[in-house]
Amino acid sequence: AQTVTQSQPEMSVQEAETVTLSCTYDTSESDYYLFWYKQPPSRQMILVIRQEAYKQQNATENRFSVNFQKAAKSFSLKISDSQLGDAAMYFCAYRSAAVASGTYKYIFGTGTRLKVLA
Amino acid sequence: DGGITQSPKYLFRKEGQNVTLSCEQNLNHDAMYWYRQDPGQGLRLIYYSQIVNDFQKGDIAEGYSVSREKKESFPLTVTSAQKNPTAFYLCASSVVSSTDTQYFGPGTRLTVL
Repeated sequence: AQTVTQSQPEMSVQEAETVTLSCTYDTSESDYYLFWYKQPPSRQMILVIRQEAYKQQNATENRFSVNFQKAAKSFSLKISDSQLGDAAMYFCAYRSAAVASGTYKYIFGTGTRLKVLA
Repeated sequence: DGGITQSPKYLFRKEGQNVTLSCEQNLNHDAMYWYRQDPGQGLRLIYYSQIVNDFQKGDIAEGYSVSREKKESFPLTVTSAQKNPTAFYLCASSVVSSTDTQYFGPGTRLTVL
């Protein structure tokens, strides 16, 4: 069974600085997708970034980028020029690319709470 | 605007009562999901459905029931058999493909009094 681990329950970053959130996963599959979701105080889950395992190039979305290390099964999120609005819980998630029981189940980590200091 | 709506935002239940949480989407997604979120834990899958009139149990289905009579709607009933129902409940939807991404509703906070 696949697992997703976020070992940092909480992180802090100064406004305008850069912070990296860690995520590791365990799988025997070769084809899968990885996601970072943001959950602000409103508690709505918002997709931040997505990475396809077959792509070597790291995904980027504006100030958000990932460092995807497939062999190490590591998927970290880097937030550059941190803003107060970045303060939230961040969840790493894994999804198999193979159909299992007719759907694609997501497996979530336990989350990292990011505080942004003014 | 396309999106997923959940109602109510806050729900209070007395012990022994069944309650139903609403989830509606107008994204034309075939697949819908229900998750439970507890403090310090990730999201855990309760039920999912890929097509109308069909659904499957997730990892923590005991004490919950669902229906999928319409493509747009996937209500979740928390029954009295659920021993610890106080939690935050999130509904999500996606297309059914190898490249799908799940999109989430705003959630419902259920509190048992």
